[in-house]
Amino acid sequence: SFDLTQPPSVSVSPGQTVSVTCSGNNLGNKYVSWYQQKPGQSPVVVIYHDDKRPAGIPDRISGSNSGNTATLTISGTQAVDEADYFCQAWDTSFVVFGGGTKLTVL
Amino acid sequence: QVQLVQSGAEVKQPGASLNVSCKASGYTFSAYALHWVRQAPGQRLEWMGWINGGNINTKFSPKFQDRVTFSRDTSANTAYMELTGLKSEDTAVYFCARESLDRGRPFDYWGQGSLVIVSS
Repeated sequence: SFDLTQPPSVSVSPGQTVSVTCSGNNLGNKYVSWYQQKPGQSPVVVIYHDDKRPAGIPDRISGSNSGNTATLTISGTQAVDEADYFCQAWDTSFVVFGGGTKLTVL
Repeated sequence: QVQLVQSGAEVKQPGASLNVSCKASGYTFSAYALHWVRQAPGQRLEWMGWINGGNINTKFSPKFQDRVTFSRDTSANTAYMELTGLKSEDTAVYFCARESLDRGRPFDYWGQGSLVIVSS
């Protein structure tokens, strides 16, 4: 089965740039979405189609996808960015989520 | 505005069945597929499957395909998920999510989640 691997946690200082990776076999051949989830809330899509931002998502959040790795990058990180982030891709007709990465803003 | 409103929290006995509803509003219900995703406490999002918009096709994760059924009532703009043979490991928050028509087919709207506790 197709798996997506994320680091369990990353930390960043306010104002700095942080990247969250998502690895999978030939992931660059698939479209990746990223979801932000805060405690007790439903996930919110922050990146889709590898690098597209939905309306209302700040442009300091960006995405890329190449080879075996997709990357979510947050520049000028703010306290409001502290959350769990999940990558997601389609494997033919099935959906796969990564294990999630907890972003801590120190 | 698009909304997905799910049924409330439930406590179930092991071996029982679970029924969760997801009522949609603010868009053409039959035009979009709906997915079901669950999340055990402190765990990852786990995809269960989807039901298509118009022709009631379904697709299930192999993990659940023997125990789960999806249905939808287009007259009520409501989708349903039934999970049978509940075990303690099925304790989770269950979400419905709409599949966007955008390229990459992200889940653009999510229900608020339905907490299910399986315990004797």
